Amino acid sequence: GAVVSQHPSWVICKSGTSVKIECRSLDFQATTMFWYRQFPKQSLMLMATSNEGSKATYEQGVEKDKFLINHASLTLSTLTVTSAHPEDSSFYICSASGRGSGYTFGSGTRLTVV
Amino acid sequence: DAKTTQPPSMDCAEGRAANLPCNHSTISGNEYVYWYRQIHSQGPQYIIHGLKNNETNEMASLIITEDRKSSTLILPHATLRDTAVYYCIVTSTGGAQKLVFGQGTRLTINP
Repeated sequence: GAVVSQHPSWVICKSGTSVKIECRSLDFQATTMFWYRQFPKQSLMLMATSNEGSKATYEQGVEKDKFLINHASLTLSTLTVTSAHPEDSSFYICSASGRGSGYTFGSGTRLTVV
Repeated sequence: DAKTTQPPSMDCAEGRAANLPCNHSTISGNEYVYWYRQIHSQGPQYIIHGLKNNETNEMASLIITEDRKSSTLILPHATLRDTAVYYCIVTSTGGAQKLVFGQGTRLTINP
C-alpha cells in the first residue's frame, strides 16, 4: 500500500530557531499534501493544503510566514517552522494524496521548543 | 468544521465486536465516509471508506444507512491493539479534498 515517510520523528530546538520537517511519498506521486498540527488530547487541526508546484493554501488563523510549506516535487513536501517558540511545540503530521491512492498519513513529528 | 458527530468514548470487551457510530446528517451525494484511527503518538491509520454500499475489508466493516445520514464501523473481534481514537470523516471525491477531523471516539478495549 501507499507509504508516507515523515522525518524527523521528534526534534528539540531552541526558541528563535527554525525547524524543517520532511514528508515523502515513497511509492506514489503525491499531487496534494496536507499538514496538520495536534496538541495533547486534541484532534488533528488542518494547517494547510499544498499542490505540487503551487503555493500552499493555509487555513484561517495559520500564519503562512511562520509555517513555510514547500511542495516542489510529487514526492516531497516540507514544513518549516520559522522562529519557533514554546507555543509552537506540538505534534505535526503530514498526509499525502495522489491519483487513486486515497489519503496516507506520515508517522508524525513531535516538536519541542525550549 | 467537521461534518460528523461521534460519541467521545466507548468501551468494548476483548474478543467482542466493537460498533462505532457516526452521524453525518448533512452529507452530500458525492461525499464519501472515511474512517481512520490514531493510536497514541502516531499518524492516523486508514481503516475503510464507502459511498453508499456497505463495505468490508480485512480490518473492519462499514455499514451506511440507506439515507446515508449515519454509519457504523464494526471491528468484528476487537483486540487490545484496537484501543485508539477512531475518526469518522466525510469528504467529497478527489484526493485534493481536505480531510477535516472531528473529535473522534476514544475506544478502549478491555481484557
